[in-house]
Order: sequence, then C-alpha cells, then structure tokens
Amino acid sequence: LAKTTQPISMDSYEGQEVNITCSHNNIATNDYITWYQQFPSQGPRFIIQGYKTKVTNEVASLFIPADRKSSTLSLPRVSLSDTAVYYCLADYNQGGKLIFGQGTELSVKP
Amino acid sequence: GAVVSQHPSRVICKSGTSVKIECRSLDFQATTMFWYRQFPKKSLMLMATSNEGSKATYEQGVEKDKFLINHASLTLSTLTVTSAHPEDSSFYICSASRGGQLQGEQFFGPGTRLTVL
Repeated sequence: LAKTTQPISMDSYEGQEVNITCSHNNIATNDYITWYQQFPSQGPRFIIQGYKTKVTNEVASLFIPADRKSSTLSLPRVSLSDTAVYYCLADYNQGGKLIFGQGTELSVKP
Repeated sequence: GAVVSQHPSRVICKSGTSVKIECRSLDFQATTMFWYRQFPKKSLMLMATSNEGSKATYEQGVEKDKFLINHASLTLSTLTVTSAHPEDSSFYICSASRGGQLQGEQFFGPGTRLTVL
C-alpha cells in the first residue's frame, strides 16, 4: 500500500478555490487515488477517485500528473460547510482495505 | 444508494462489560466490511477486515479475542468489544465495499461513540 503525505492543515476563505496536494511516491501500477472527507464525529465520505489525468464530479476535481507520484484535490468556491478533514489514499482497491494517513484539516473562514 | 448504518450511535457502559456494535449495508450486499477506530484528533486506524462467512482478518496489534467480529450475512457485520475498559473508549466506524462496481469506493457508517466508565 502506497504511503501518502499531505499537509496537516490549511486555511481558506469562503468563495476561494482550495487545492490540497498529496504525494504518493511509491504508488504502484494498480493503485487508485481516492479522497475522502470527514466531519467531526461522522464517518468519512467518498469525494472522488482517479487513476491518471483529470477527474471531475459535482463536488471536486482531481488532478494526477503523468508520473502519478502526487495528486491534487481541487475544491471550487469553498463554503464554511467544507471545513473538514480530507484524506488522500492510494492503493489497489478492489474491495481491498484502506489505510488512512493523517489527513489535511481544512478550515474555511468567513 | 449505498447507505451504511451503525447501531448504536452512542453507548456508555461500565468497565468489564461487553458491547456489541452493528454495521449494516442497507441497499447493497457487502462481501467485505471493515472496522476502524478513531481517537480524538487522530486518523482512522483499521482494526480488521471482515468477509461474509469467514473469519475476520485482524491488523497487527489488534486483539482478536478482545474485539470479536462476526459477518454472518452480506448485509450485517458486528463488532463486540469484550470486557471493555476505559482505554477502549473511542469512535468506532465500519465501512462496506460492494467490490467490482465503482472501483475503490467504500461506504462508511456514521460511527459509534463508545465511552467506558
């Protein structure tokens, strides 16, 4: 399972775009990159997943360069409700286990 | 779709008692379920992987006799904390995987807050 490294915390303001970068230098060929969001005292919520290039859904975009050694989660126009911990995971996940790193605590201010 | 529930959401018990936590996949069949625990301001720590009809696989350092896991059906897994002590107080979260569809998605339950007095 690839080890991931991401910033411990980030601050932003409402309406800004937030980019959280995660490094996964030893990512394997079959590994996918997945991001989860967690609010206090709740279970994590799936945000987005990708393998390479760019993936976009209704809440976020995920940018993965060609070497796949890092990835960037982009949250457009954040609001106060986006204040949460964001986890980046990289592993081959066909129903396989997920190992969570420390996550990035995002604080969105008015 | 893909909803996972946990029961109870919160439990307080006396030291030495056992507590059972249920994890259910409400609208899909989960061949694999996972149990995590999370301490305040810390990340989720995987405790065990539970496959329907077989014994759970525990992560290193997790006592299988202390944390009993049963996965009797494709929609239900239970975690029993036996002879609970204050140090077992934590937030326990389960997740369920459909496997093979949207690759890599695991669906998490809302968590159970266990407080051992």
